Amino acid sequence: KNEVEQSPQNLTAQEGEFITINCSYSVGISALHWLQQHPGGGIVSLFMLSSGKKKHGRLIATINIQEKHSSLHITASHPRDSAVYICAVPNAGGTSYGKLTFGQGTILTVHP
Amino acid sequence: GAGVSQSPSNKVTEKGKDVELRCDPISGHTALYWYRQSLGQGLEFLIYFQGNSAPDKSGLPSDRFSAERTGGSVSTLTIQRTQQEDSAVYLCASSFPGIEQFFGPGTRLTVL
Repeated sequence: KNEVEQSPQNLTAQEGEFITINCSYSVGISALHWLQQHPGGGIVSLFMLSSGKKKHGRLIATINIQEKHSSLHITASHPRDSAVYICAVPNAGGTSYGKLTFGQGTILTVHP
Repeated sequence: GAGVSQSPSNKVTEKGKDVELRCDPISGHTALYWYRQSLGQGLEFLIYFQGNSAPDKSGLPSDRFSAERTGGSVSTLTIQRTQQEDSAVYLCASSFPGIEQFFGPGTRLTVL
């Protein structure tokens, strides 16, 4: 079973700061997911990436398959970015997309 | 188009009663997933349906839990003889295989 570790568990920032959230996993995979969970509980898929880097607005996700590590960056953070950010990988590694193992999440709070 | 919908949004039940939770996936999505998020805990995989293949039930916590997917579309998660530890938010997601998952709003289950 893939083990997923996220850091930090809690992150507080001032508006405008550059944010980095890290995710490490134990079993090689072909793709990794970053999810965002808002205070109301709704979950949104931010990225699914298998190599290199993806960018969407102020969000950037990178992955290093060899090092089994991914980072999620938020540039020019804003209070509306406050949420829980969750990393997820295939449970058994490889291409088993269906069954995901999730990190515990990083609680991000951005103050104005 | 419509996203993933779940019903009910909230369910309060008494210990020992059976409950049924419903998920309507995005039309055309062949993969459907059920997850659970207990209070203060991370997301936990329950079951995965892919097309006409046998579902991956390896995440179901006990034989009180079962799920079915009729006609490759709507899915029902049934919990028999509910226990207080079953209280959680139950999330459904759907996708095309290997593509990012789209999550529903969840059903908050409270077992008194």
